[in-house]
Amino acid sequence: GIQVEQSPPDLILQEGANSTLRCNFSDSVNNLQWFHQNPWGQLINLFYIPSGTKQNGRLSATTVATERYSLLYISSSQTTDSGVYFCAVVHSGNTPLVFGKGTRLSVIA
Amino acid sequence: DTGVSQDPRHKITKRGQNVTFRCDPISEHNRLYWYRQTLGQGPEFLTYFQNEAQLEKSRLLSDRFSAERPKGSFSTLEIQRTEQGDSAMYLCASSGAGETQYFGPGTRLLVL
Repeated sequence: GIQVEQSPPDLILQEGANSTLRCNFSDSVNNLQWFHQNPWGQLINLFYIPSGTKQNGRLSATTVATERYSLLYISSSQTTDSGVYFCAVVHSGNTPLVFGKGTRLSVIA
Repeated sequence: DTGVSQDPRHKITKRGQNVTFRCDPISEHNRLYWYRQTLGQGPEFLTYFQNEAQLEKSRLLSDRFSAERPKGSFSTLEIQRTEQGDSAMYLCASSGAGETQYFGPGTRLLVL
């Protein structure tokens, strides 16, 4: 099946710093979503982005489907950004999301 | 639209007992998914429904697991004869005409 790799696995930032999280996938996709999992386990939708670039406040994401990667940018990080960020994809023709192992982000005041 | 809801939020049971979880999707969504997440891992797909039809099951879904969506609305996931390895977060998601999946808060299961 399709493989999803996220990097880095862990990231510690000072409040106010910027960061880039990466998601590589091994085959073509027709759906790619970024999620933030909060400390209570809730998966919060950040972006649905199978291709192109989107921005939402301090967050933005870019997916280059032909090169099989997606990037999540967090600018001016805040302590509330802490948690685990997951990338998940749907391989062409299939429906379930396949998740990476996540990037654990800790933002320190 | 109140989002995807799951009940209970937490469940502690003894090994060998049966447990049942419920998921209520976003009302207009025809697709419903179950995933399982263990500590330090991303969620893994278990099964999904389109309306009342169960269309796909993962090999993770052993014969002790059964899921239903009888009227194409809410769904239940039952685990029979629970084992300690079943301890995990069970997540439900739904999607409509678009591809975006929306997740509920999950049910944390602890099997003692």
